[in-house]
Amino acid sequence: GQNIDQPTEMTATEGAIVQINCTYQTSGFNGLFWYQQHAGEAPTFLSYNVLDGLEEKGRFSSFLSRSKGYSYLLLKELQMKDSASYLCAVRDRNTDKLIFGTGTRLQVFP
Amino acid sequence: DVKVTQSSRYLVKRTGEKVFLECVQDMDHENMFWYRQDPGLGLRLIYFSYDVKMKEKGDIPEGYSVSREKKERFSLILESASTNQTSMYLCASWDRGNQPQHFGDGTRLSIL
Repeated sequence: GQNIDQPTEMTATEGAIVQINCTYQTSGFNGLFWYQQHAGEAPTFLSYNVLDGLEEKGRFSSFLSRSKGYSYLLLKELQMKDSASYLCAVRDRNTDKLIFGTGTRLQVFP
Repeated sequence: DVKVTQSSRYLVKRTGEKVFLECVQDMDHENMFWYRQDPGLGLRLIYFSYDVKMKEKGDIPEGYSVSREKKERFSLILESASTNQTSMYLCASWDRGNQPQHFGDGTRLSIL
């Protein structure tokens, strides 16, 4: 079957670093996406990993280990505007469909 | 820049009504998707389309249908709305390969 797990909620302090984990099980893997979604808004694309390793984009980095079925999103120098939900999604190789986790709601406090 | 536009941000309808949700993309993408998003359940795929006049059922198609008469437009239809269809509906479009899906702003639909 297909399953994606990520924590429901996390809190952090402005200026700190936070790591949001995502574990997945899928019959055919063809890439993992991270999206950011502010309340009442559309999900916006943050990062994509298809090979093992770290992808860095400014304050945000994403890591993938295919053998462990594991990814994380790392947010550095947290800002208040980073308070949002972060969605992990895996693309199924056989169908090209995206399978989404339930999202991690991150609250950043001053 | 990629643009996916959903016709309404908020919509209130009554039980039994036929409801149309419209989505338009301007990127000439072949692939379009309709999801619903509910607390604790994440995004669930209702229907998708890989080409004009083509449609495929997603994971939760019951109670819904779709129409894709033109490449840029993908419509979601609730044939006879019910209260359990109250939700946030998100449309997305996608090019091939490693590109991400791009989402519209969503329609928050309430069925009374």
